Amino acid sequence: SAVISQKPSRDICQRGTSLTIQCQVDSQVTMMFWYRQQPGQSLTLIATANQGSEATYESGFVIDKFPISRPNLTFSTLTVSNMSPEDSSIYLCSVEMTGAYGYTFGSGTRLTVV
Amino acid sequence: KQEVTQIPAALSVPEGENLVLNCSFTDSAIYNLQWFRQDPGKGLTSLLLIQSSQREQTSGRLNASLDKSSGRSTLYIAASQPGDSATYLCAVNRSNDYKLSFGAGTTVTVRA
Repeated sequence: SAVISQKPSRDICQRGTSLTIQCQVDSQVTMMFWYRQQPGQSLTLIATANQGSEATYESGFVIDKFPISRPNLTFSTLTVSNMSPEDSSIYLCSVEMTGAYGYTFGSGTRLTVV
Repeated sequence: KQEVTQIPAALSVPEGENLVLNCSFTDSAIYNLQWFRQDPGKGLTSLLLIQSSQREQTSGRLNASLDKSSGRSTLYIAASQPGDSATYLCAVNRSNDYKLSFGAGTTVTVRA
């Protein structure tokens, strides 16, 4: 299965600022997924990122707030823009490897906005 | 829309007891189902993946069953240990769109 390196692991940010989260995969993958997990909640899909095209956002998430880059088949970034305390969550990236492995997740970024 | 439910929401057992975690889903047209473990504030670790054509998967002390027609999966953890304390998440992969639908999780505490 794939190994994902996600950075930073945690951050405390001032409201109104932006944070960019990076995910590096050790193999080439077509699709990468970004999730949010609000405190005490389960995971919600933010968007799907394909290399060479714009990300596809789920209902309730917009590109201006969560811009995503996917410059190649092993790397993606998610930016949380103009942050407010409501953005305090764990953000996770994920990839799906065909075959017997299912989905692999990064170690998560724990964001606190003050 | 796929709805995934996990019962119970929390479970506390003494060490050595077997654990039974339940997951139900509303749409049986699934591609596969995956069980994850999440430690507090951390990412997800994959435990078991069951394809829609399979009835069960086993890995060590873990066994997961799938009954697609009734929309249910069960994760069994034998002879629980304090290190098994975590939140366990069930995720259903819908056919053809590569998107996971997650349950809210079962938080397990194994008492030494």
